[in-house]
Amino acid sequence: GAGVSQTPSNKVTEKGKYVELRCDPISGHTALYWYRQSLGQGPEFLIYFQGTGAADDSGLPNDRFFAVRPEGSVSTLKIQRTERGDSAVYLCASSLIGSTEAFFGQGTRLTVV
Amino acid sequence: GQQLNQSPQSMFIQEGEDVSMNCTSSSIFNTWLWYKQEPGEGPVLLIALYKAGELTSNGRLTAQFGITRKDSFLNISASIPSDVGIYFCAGQTPSGSRLTFGEGTQLTVNP
Repeated sequence: GAGVSQTPSNKVTEKGKYVELRCDPISGHTALYWYRQSLGQGPEFLIYFQGTGAADDSGLPNDRFFAVRPEGSVSTLKIQRTERGDSAVYLCASSLIGSTEAFFGQGTRLTVV
Repeated sequence: GQQLNQSPQSMFIQEGEDVSMNCTSSSIFNTWLWYKQEPGEGPVLLIALYKAGELTSNGRLTAQFGITRKDSFLNISASIPSDVGIYFCAGQTPSGSRLTFGEGTQLTVNP
């Protein structure tokens, strides 16, 4: 498809486990963002990539969260030692470099039990 | 940190009515965006605003970038049932690439 694709769409994991969430941005979009959305709230910024490098990771809540984008296209958000408070929808967005018009994927709903 | 106050939190209207929602910020933004989100989906971009005072339309939607650069509003005219969803404002500061989102306005349209 032509849009931002996120997998899986839903993930249920046990407290303490490790999870990986994947994002396939729109082809040609150099900028990639991860946001987290809790129930009833707007999305909150986590990290921003320009190409392969994280240009701004100041939104990551703690060192259990890490994201990579090794080839400047697909990105993976990694969460170690998951906690129940990590339960949320994780949204990925991409844009052309220099553009503020970010296009979002459908999100991954993470539930930590 | 930056805060965006979006109001109203929810609206219940009859089909055909016009609606208005707005966002105010404690910080200056150089870009305002309005998104719509439906259940199980990511936000979809509706309108982007780049200059203070700018007024932009997209069909029945009209949005304005406030002259102080700290506020924006979105109007929807002649609402229809498919307008139902959560509308978010988002702003970008001159110094960064991240978007700061409001808490959303839940719109319900009764046929």
